[in-house]
Amino acid sequence: TQLLEQSPQFLSIQEGENLTVYCNSSSVFSSLQWYRQEPGEGPVLLVTVVTGGEVKKLKRLTFQFGDARKDSSLHITAAQPGDTGLYLCAGAKKKSSGDKLTFGTGTRLAVRP
Amino acid sequence: DAGVIQSPRHEVTEMGQEVTLRCKPISGHNSLFWYRQTMMRGLELLIYFNNNVPIDDSGMPEDRFSAKMPNASFSTLKIQPSEPRDSAVYFCASNRRGGMETQYFGPGTRLLVL
Repeated sequence: TQLLEQSPQFLSIQEGENLTVYCNSSSVFSSLQWYRQEPGEGPVLLVTVVTGGEVKKLKRLTFQFGDARKDSSLHITAAQPGDTGLYLCAGAKKKSSGDKLTFGTGTRLAVRP
Repeated sequence: DAGVIQSPRHEVTEMGQEVTLRCKPISGHNSLFWYRQTMMRGLELLIYFNNNVPIDDSGMPEDRFSAKMPNASFSTLKIQPSEPRDSAVYFCASNRRGGMETQYFGPGTRLLVL
């Protein structure tokens, strides 16, 4: 069972367009992370959001954690070819053995020049 | 500082053979994670270690999979015997204290079992 569903699964847009990627769950997470993965490499952390309703900005990327801490969104303004990659959200749940990350299904973004 | 190092980068083997994947975490990191990534199931946590001790192995698919961390600078993930459905990219990641601290991923080992 996939706890974190991302949408859309695939997205191909023209350079300069805006886009939003969604990460949804029926579970509550203590925090949520967004990663970007490029072909042949491992995921690289972009941001961690902890508080319900929190908004973080990283240059042209805006991340929001839902008020109920069940969902998150990533908005990219004026996308560039360098934004191409696989975007993964990952939610953390506290367990007796420590926080455990569950990754989302992923959104594969292609930005055409 | 060198990142997480994984070897081999690519492995092609035949069904039934033993496969050993290796990982060297970033120096000073006390937690190490093994993940598997496939198109169908995405990125899944298999097992993680804290101070060389396995903390959570609930993601290990079955007894054919085993992982060890004999010291702070080396870990192995072994599959014996391997099956075609084990074909995937296996990632190792590390961080200083586990939890939600930033995990640094290696480049992965792409495994193909024929």
